[in-house]
Amino acid sequence: EAQVTQNPRYLITVTGKKLTVTCSQNMNHEYMSWYRQDPGLGLRQIYYSMNVEVTDKGDVPEGYKVSRKEKRNFPLILESPSPNQTSLYFCASSIGTNYNSPLHFGNGTRLTVT
Amino acid sequence: GNSVTQMEGPVTLSEEAFLTINCTYTATGYPSLFWYVQYPGEGLQLLLKATKADDKGSNKGFEATYRKETTSFHLEKGSVQVSDSAVYFCALRMIKAAGNKLTFGGGTRVLVKP
Repeated sequence: EAQVTQNPRYLITVTGKKLTVTCSQNMNHEYMSWYRQDPGLGLRQIYYSMNVEVTDKGDVPEGYKVSRKEKRNFPLILESPSPNQTSLYFCASSIGTNYNSPLHFGNGTRLTVT
Repeated sequence: GNSVTQMEGPVTLSEEAFLTINCTYTATGYPSLFWYVQYPGEGLQLLLKATKADDKGSNKGFEATYRKETTSFHLEKGSVQVSDSAVYFCALRMIKAAGNKLTFGGGTRVLVKP
């Protein structure tokens, strides 16, 4: 089944403890991206990757890192999480970088930082 | 910058009622417009899209028409079902958007009661 898989689904952590949220897609998609969803704000792009080893900042990159060593994986790294990073995170991918390519989303990771 | 404004929810309806969710946008240029739906506990799924003025997107009984003159993309369904209960997001994407970014509205929660 074609899908975008994120892990974990739920994560509670403490301020300053490094964590990684994994994202993997099995559709051979070139483009991958991370968004965070906050009430009333919709989804905002954190980072994106046009292809392997090509990553760039979105609208809200502060406090986050990403890597794209393989086509299928795009982990989101929080080196020193803070409470304002408590949010619902979504990974997404698309077959190409054409603006009409539909995005496929994972089921989300709900992160709570205390 | 570009932005999307949706009506705030929640919208509560009875089964078989008519649903309208208003969406207006601000963009420098001519975006592609999308409606995404998020069912409880899941990621976002593309519901429909329109890429140019007067295009009508449709899927699963939902419709939306790209109105350039009013910069709107209102979502409608003639007869909702309980299974349509979800959060609906209007979004736009520019042809040369950095990072192929989708700009989302804040989402509208719809609750359909039997």
